Amino acid sequence: GAVVSQHPSRVICKSGTSVKIECRSLDFQATTMFWYRQFPKQSLMLMATSNEGSKATYEQGVEKDKFLINHASLTLSTLTVASAHPEDSSFYICSARDPTGDTEAFFGQGTRLTVV
Amino acid sequence: DQQVKQNSPSLSVQEGRISILNCDYTNSMFDYFLWYKKYPAEGPTFLISISSIKDKNEDGRFTVFLNKSAKHLSLHIVPSQPGDSAVYFCAAITTSGTYKYIFGTGTRLKVLA
Repeated sequence: GAVVSQHPSRVICKSGTSVKIECRSLDFQATTMFWYRQFPKQSLMLMATSNEGSKATYEQGVEKDKFLINHASLTLSTLTVASAHPEDSSFYICSARDPTGDTEAFFGQGTRLTVV
Repeated sequence: DQQVKQNSPSLSVQEGRISILNCDYTNSMFDYFLWYKKYPAEGPTFLISISSIKDKNEDGRFTVFLNKSAKHLSLHIVPSQPGDSAVYFCAAITTSGTYKYIFGTGTRLKVLA
């Protein structure tokens, strides 16, 4: 089945630094990928839709300048948390759907970001 | 505005019995629904889905029921096994749009041995 790989799985960074998270579709081309954030004991909150070759679409309340999304190829989307602060600490998950396959999306393993 | 809701944050069931997880939605434009299972510190894994043109879909121990008029769906797991213990999320999408998945708040299922 389709596989989505996310890297790194865990990162600790200092406040004020930037962190890049990669999301790859391993055996299919994804024109669209999605980035989610999950707070403890809460739902997956959609942050943005990453579109290959064009600008990402951000959900209301998500800072575009803080969460930079680049979808430079059909198999790779990156999320950069710019000038991270402790309140950005969270679990970030990407997903993608094989447009030639079934409707279900596949999710990466998630990235636990801790900003100290 | 929570478009997809799972009103039970947790559920405990005895091994071998049926687990029933519920989900309600408000947006009538949703036409495809999915259930995902999630373990801590991992991404969700797909379980089962249902199109809005159906009212039931079955896959092994998992059955999803959809009541469009009530905007309600449920996931039945029978028989429940200890390995089913996880957080279950329902999700809804509009297939004519960007396939943006909207997730419920999740239900933590604990199957007791």
